[in-house]
Amino acid sequence: EAGVAQSPRYKIIEKRQSVAFWCNPISGHATLYWYQQILGQGPKLLIQFQNNGVVDDSQLPKDRFSAERLKGVDSTLKIQPAKLEDSAVYLCASSLDPAGGHFFGPGTRLTVL
Amino acid sequence: DAKTTQPNSMESNEEEPVHLPCNHSTISGTDYIHWYRQLPSQGPEYVIHGLTSNVNNRMASLAIAEDRKSSTLILHRATLRDAAVYYCILRGPVYNQGGKLIFGQGTELSVKP
Repeated sequence: EAGVAQSPRYKIIEKRQSVAFWCNPISGHATLYWYQQILGQGPKLLIQFQNNGVVDDSQLPKDRFSAERLKGVDSTLKIQPAKLEDSAVYLCASSLDPAGGHFFGPGTRLTVL
Repeated sequence: DAKTTQPNSMESNEEEPVHLPCNHSTISGTDYIHWYRQLPSQGPEYVIHGLTSNVNNRMASLAIAEDRKSSTLILHRATLRDAAVYYCILRGPVYNQGGKLIFGQGTELSVKP
């Protein structure tokens, strides 16, 4: 069974630029999560989708971050414009349903200069 | 959200058992105790979870105190590949917490050959 795929794996941008990350969850998984992991800390939830609807985006900085999961499968997370403090690893995870265990992708390491 | 307390770091020797402690004195009756680990440059992966009784799987064992205010993850024979950050997480019911995982700092386990 293929795992959660993410791309790109690494991205370096200048502050105020835009960036987008892509996630392909495990086939059949209805729930998709985006987490942000700052160096030395545990992951923190940014947004949770159930199929193509948003369940929880309370921790998403909506003035600069956006995410979508239009067909209930793949998802994209965008930052526009990026700030220095956005430097982190962005992890995508999926689960069969909200009560299921999380399967994480390898993450995208973002460096904002 | 319920909180957990773990040591920042622990060391073990290869092929010896490892006991990773976690305190969660404010646990509620509906909280499950989950353990995830994160190997270097990878996303977290599920290890084990339990509610009240001790649990065993092919990766580890979970020992839960009778009052549920603490638990211990047991790796029976540590290998070099077990070097990782181990997160102890309290996961509340979906109607209350929505399915997300709330990570703390975790315990960084190093394994010496």
